[in-house]
Amino acid sequence: EAGVAQSPRYKIIEKRQSVAFWCNPISGHATLYWYQQILGQGPKLLIQFQNNGVVDDSQLPKDRFSAERLKGVDSTLKIQPAKLEDSAVYLCASSLYGSGRPPYNEQFFGPGTRLTVL
Amino acid sequence: GIQVEQSPPDLILQEGANSTLRCNFSDSVNNLQWFHQNPWGQLINLFYIPSGTKQNGRLSATTVATERYSLLYISSSQTTDSGVYFCAVPRAGANNLFFGTGTRLTVIP
Repeated sequence: EAGVAQSPRYKIIEKRQSVAFWCNPISGHATLYWYQQILGQGPKLLIQFQNNGVVDDSQLPKDRFSAERLKGVDSTLKIQPAKLEDSAVYLCASSLYGSGRPPYNEQFFGPGTRLTVL
Repeated sequence: GIQVEQSPPDLILQEGANSTLRCNFSDSVNNLQWFHQNPWGQLINLFYIPSGTKQNGRLSATTVATERYSLLYISSSQTTDSGVYFCAVPRAGANNLFFGTGTRLTVIP
């Protein structure tokens, strides 16, 4: 079974530029998550989708970050304009469901996109 | 909100040694996951363990939900075990994970 796919793996941009990341979850997984991991810290949630609807975007900096999952499968996360502090690894994860009896909510992570903002 | 603390923050082991990593959490949870983040940044699922004990090869984990802690045991450590170990629990009312501060393990040959 294929895992969570992400692209690109690395991206270097200058501040104030825009960037987009792509994620394809595990086939059949209804719930998709985007996390941001700053160097030396654990991942922190940015946004959670259930199918094509947003479940939780309370920690998404909405003035510059946006995300969509139009057909309930793959997703795109965008930053515009980027700031120096956005340098981080952006991780996508998926689970069969977002709730319900375990292990339906076990999350699996992709390889991440390492973003450097100069 | 929920608090998750991991100890020790750093651990250096000789190859072949055993170790125990601890994760304390502040609220009752219905899910707990242990991950290994390898030096290339990939988060690898180790255990999904809301309660009880599980074993997978040289690794085992125990979660005592009533006392709000989980332990990860690594036996006969190998250099490939190096990396950061995270425990994570879901936020109240949601399934997205809140991660602990991690334990950085270095296994030297």
